[in-house]
Amino acid sequence: DTAVSQTPKYLVTQMGNDKSIKCEQNLGHDTMYWYKQDSKKFLKIMFSYNNKELIINETVPNRFSPKSPDKAHLNLHINSLELGDSAVYFCASSQAPQGPQYFGPGTRLTVL
Amino acid sequence: QQPVQSPQAVILREGEDAVINCSSSKALYSVHWYRQKHGEAPVFLMILLKGGEQKGHEKISASFNEKKQQSSLYLTASQLSYSGTYFCGTEHGSSNTGKLIFGQGTTLQVKP
Repeated sequence: DTAVSQTPKYLVTQMGNDKSIKCEQNLGHDTMYWYKQDSKKFLKIMFSYNNKELIINETVPNRFSPKSPDKAHLNLHINSLELGDSAVYFCASSQAPQGPQYFGPGTRLTVL
Repeated sequence: QQPVQSPQAVILREGEDAVINCSSSKALYSVHWYRQKHGEAPVFLMILLKGGEQKGHEKISASFNEKKQQSSLYLTASQLSYSGTYFCGTEHGSSNTGKLIFGQGTTLQVKP
C-alpha cells in the first residue's frame, strides 16, 4: 500500500505554462508539506498544512499556490513556470506538525 | 539559518563505523535525521528532542547536545544498504509548525 503518493512522477513543460502536482496520503495524518529539492540536493520547505489550515508559508513566489481540499490531499499549482522552477518536488506528511515526516516519491519538474 | 553537516562525504568499507555531525548556529528544539538513496525520497530515521537525548535504531544511533547546538548520527558496522545521502533537519523554537531546515547532506558510500 502506497503511503504518500504523488502524480505525476515526471513533468516536462515549456516556460510560461501552468502546471499542477497532486499529493495524497493514506496514513491518516493531519499535517502535509511541500518541499523543493534542487540539483544540489538542497531540500527546502515551501508550505505546510495542518488539518487543511496553512501553517507554513515560506518565502516562495506567489506563482506557487497550494491547496488542501481535505486532510488527505495537498496539491501544488504553479503559474507561469520559469527555468529556475526545475527541481524535484516532494510531498510529505506527518501525524502532527512535530512528528516524523513521510515523503512521497517526488515529482521531477523540468522547465524548458 | 541552514545547519552545517560534516563531513560532506565519506567512503567506508562494510563493517566500518561512521559519524555524521549536524551543527546549528541557533538554539535547537529538535533534530530529525533522514536518509535518501539516489533517485528516491528521503526516509525518516529518527527524531531527537532537546534534553540531550540519545536514540538507537539497530546499528544506527544519534545524540543531541543542546548546549553545543549539535547532533551526531552514529553508524556502526556499516552495511551496503547504508549508502545514501544523510540529512539532518533542525527545528527551532516550539512553534509547533514542524518547520524543518535541512542541512546540505552527507553522502555516505559503503563499499564491499
